[in-house]
Amino acid sequence: GAGVSQSPSNKVTEKGKDVELRCDPISGHTALYWYRQSLGQGLEFLIYFQGNSAPDKSGLPSDRFSAERTGGSVSTLTIQRTQQEDSAVYLCASSKEGQLYGYTFGSGTRLTVV
Amino acid sequence: DAKTTQPTSMDCAEGRAANLPCNHSTISGNEYVYWYRQIHSQGPQYIIHGLKNNETNEMASLIITEDRKSSTLILPHATLRDTAVYYCIVRVEAAGNKLTFGGGTRVLVKP
Repeated sequence: GAGVSQSPSNKVTEKGKDVELRCDPISGHTALYWYRQSLGQGLEFLIYFQGNSAPDKSGLPSDRFSAERTGGSVSTLTIQRTQQEDSAVYLCASSKEGQLYGYTFGSGTRLTVV
Repeated sequence: DAKTTQPTSMDCAEGRAANLPCNHSTISGNEYVYWYRQIHSQGPQYIIHGLKNNETNEMASLIITEDRKSSTLILPHATLRDTAVYYCIVRVEAAGNKLTFGGGTRVLVKP
């Protein structure tokens, strides 16, 4: 597609439930990044994918967070047993490898844990 | 990656040039200067980047000092739609080298 697509755009879930967030990167972009942004805060890196592998998972805040990417394209970020502090906007970005000015962000998924 | 320092906020008059400073005194020779902005409720948007030379594109100009320890992003004719948080980031351009966002400068363009 023309841009990075994320779904759902908004998600309200109850504390303790699992959620899945989806990212469709730009076709041909091999690098994919997940970030999150809590209300009024800066962007926090979560994980980086090169193709289907994740050489950098250093930003995942706990083992409740996991992500996968299949076919070098779509990525899913899963949060298990959600907590209220997980409430944030989760942003996905993709780029051609080595082209940081080709870093294109999606509009994000706003997750609210109640 | 080198740390950057930006003012927390600044106001700008519509139609005037907006000059956004960034200090990166510990930048190393192979680190680029990148600027992104984030308009409310949207993902960050790439603006411009440079290494040593000044750069200009359809959105902005980037002025980098000769010692590379600071830079200025110039929006030549600010509009209300330029109201956003502007992030200055310095980093080595390499595969998998993620962007690290600081606090940025909150720019408010006023009529």
